[in-house]
Amino acid sequence: GAVVSQHPSRVICKSGTSVKIECRSLDFQATTMFWYRQFPKQSLMLMATSNEGSKATYEQGVEKDKFLINHASLTLSTLTVTSAHPEDSSFYICSASLQGGREGQPQHFGDGTRLSIL
Amino acid sequence: AQKITQTQPGMFVQEKEAVTLDCTYDTSDQSYGLFWYKQPSSGEMIFLIYQGSYDEQNATEGRYSLNFQKARKSANLVISASQLGDSAMYFCAMRERASNDYKLSFGAGTTVTVRA
Repeated sequence: GAVVSQHPSRVICKSGTSVKIECRSLDFQATTMFWYRQFPKQSLMLMATSNEGSKATYEQGVEKDKFLINHASLTLSTLTVTSAHPEDSSFYICSASLQGGREGQPQHFGDGTRLSIL
Repeated sequence: AQKITQTQPGMFVQEKEAVTLDCTYDTSDQSYGLFWYKQPSSGEMIFLIYQGSYDEQNATEGRYSLNFQKARKSANLVISASQLGDSAMYFCAMRERASNDYKLSFGAGTTVTVRA
């Protein structure tokens, strides 16, 4: 089955640090990748849709300059949390859709990154 | 308006029994897809089952089945013969045809706890 790798799985760092999270589709090409944020016991909140070779589309209320997304290839998208502060602490999870997939093709998720800003 | 509604924040079920998780949706699209995902405490999202809006039969995948009632706009997940490993949060999600980039709308989730 389709595998999405997300790295790192956990990050603890000081306030003001920039943190980069990688999302890779290991055995398929992903035209579109998605970045979500999730607070404990809550649903996934879509942050942005990342398309290979073009600018990401951000959801309303998500700061583009705060959460930089790069989708340089069909297998890699990165999310950089710039100058992170304690309120950015959260669970971040990416997903990918198969290129040219049929309508019923599910999004395949990475294992997520737990970000803790001290 | 909320596109996916899951009204059960938490449920307890006895091991080996069946449990039904409710999901209702709201869309004006004729073509859409409904998905269920499982999220254990470790955080990964596991795809369970898919139902297309034009599928005439209810989807089944092993112990998972989807009770699809199109007129009521409901897509309830049934887990049969519950196991301790089924304890997790379960999310219902929908993709509408209007969403060309495969964007999903998620419900609030239901936490299932299986008791021995």
